[in-house]
Amino acid sequence: NAGVTQTPKFRILKIGQSMTLQCTQDMNHNYMYWYRQDPGMGLKLIYYSVGAGITDKGEVPNGYNVSRSTTEDFPLRLELAAPSQTSVYFCASSYFTPQENSPLHFGNGTRLTVT
Amino acid sequence: KNQVEQSPQSLIILEGKNCTLQCNYTVSPFSNLRWYKQDTGRGPVSLTIMTFSENTKSNGRYTATLDADTKQSSLHITASQLSDSASYICVVSALRQAGTALIFGKGTTLSVSS
Repeated sequence: NAGVTQTPKFRILKIGQSMTLQCTQDMNHNYMYWYRQDPGMGLKLIYYSVGAGITDKGEVPNGYNVSRSTTEDFPLRLELAAPSQTSVYFCASSYFTPQENSPLHFGNGTRLTVT
Repeated sequence: KNQVEQSPQSLIILEGKNCTLQCNYTVSPFSNLRWYKQDTGRGPVSLTIMTFSENTKSNGRYTATLDADTKQSSLHITASQLSDSASYICVVSALRQAGTALIFGKGTTLSVSS
């Protein structure tokens, strides 16, 4: 049981380049999330999904896109990388909604640098 | 405005000692409060989840308390170990019209030295 797996672990992008951060979970969780963690700041929600085919914006969605074609996978797409997107990105999943006292299971993150 | 404030920002203690981390929040209404442990270079791992009606919850050497009246929570670590060195994050589950939102604190960095 691998939990939540994120790839790659590290990536350096040039301004304007695009990339996809991969996230997959093997716990059959319906709810999946993408967060970014900036130094000295709390995690901020980028996008979330309540099930295959359903996604919605979080607090900081600008510059990102997501898709959820299967229960297991929830990739995050950066179309035109900007220095402001330099951050550590975490994917998470949960069985129930946050309101229902369901813990989030996090991956180990992707550290992205845009120069 | 920060709705979840944690203190201290960082803390250094000797192995074997106890410590208490604080979390004050202004989020209202909320459904639950969580504590996560984040090791360097890793994702956060859930320690405890408490509903607004619970006062205390333990997970091994970790004990979380919640006072919903004063909007304060604490995480007490007993007999600290080197492996407790990590960032500890307080998270409040806010009830919003559009759904539930998790509000993350900035974390307290704990260093346990031998």
